[in-house]
Amino acid sequence: GAVVSQHPSRVICKSGTSVKIECRSLDFQATTMFWYRQFPKQSLMLMATSNEGSKATYEQGVEKDKFLINHASLTLSTLTVTSAHPEDSSFYICSAPKYGTGDNNEQFFGPGTRLTVL
Amino acid sequence: LAKTTQPISMDSYEGQEVNITCSHNNIATNDYITWYQQFPSQGPRFIIQGYKTKVTNEVASLFIPADRKSSTLSLPRVSLSDTAVYYCLVGDRAGFSGGYNKLIFGAGTRLAVHP
Repeated sequence: GAVVSQHPSRVICKSGTSVKIECRSLDFQATTMFWYRQFPKQSLMLMATSNEGSKATYEQGVEKDKFLINHASLTLSTLTVTSAHPEDSSFYICSAPKYGTGDNNEQFFGPGTRLTVL
Repeated sequence: LAKTTQPISMDSYEGQEVNITCSHNNIATNDYITWYQQFPSQGPRFIIQGYKTKVTNEVASLFIPADRKSSTLSLPRVSLSDTAVYYCLVGDRAGFSGGYNKLIFGAGTRLAVHP
């Protein structure tokens, strides 16, 4: 199957700093990518839809100035957590759909990035 | 987007067949049913997708009744490595023209397989 990577896999930062997380589709192009956040023992919560060449679409309750998304190319989307605080500590996961010629146009998920804000 | 309801948790033993049922009473005509598996600290992994009747692949089967208001993921002969959270999602698979819709995850079913 297709591969989606994330970098870094884990990051620890001080409160008030900004952290950038990269999501790459390694063997296919993705005009759309999705960013999720997952707290311990909880489900994935969709944060935003990243659109190549245009502004991201944020879900209700997600601060767009806090979580900056840039989708500069067909294989890369970045999520920047600005002025991070301990409550932003979470597991961040991206996904990208791959349009196939078969029956399954499935989404491929990255391995996730564990963010810990001290 | 259709809301899904699954059991919060299930327990099984190695070698048994596990069936996880998902309710999606408000599924739309264009919606497909997709199941994902997630291990701790990993991204979800696609298991199977279907629209109606039965779909089978190398890891699971998906049974969908005629009214499509529910679906059942069947895992044959589970092993310890099948311990994970299983998510049932419904959504519009746009097809070849693109415009894939966002996936909204429910609570999922936490499956524990015991020796």
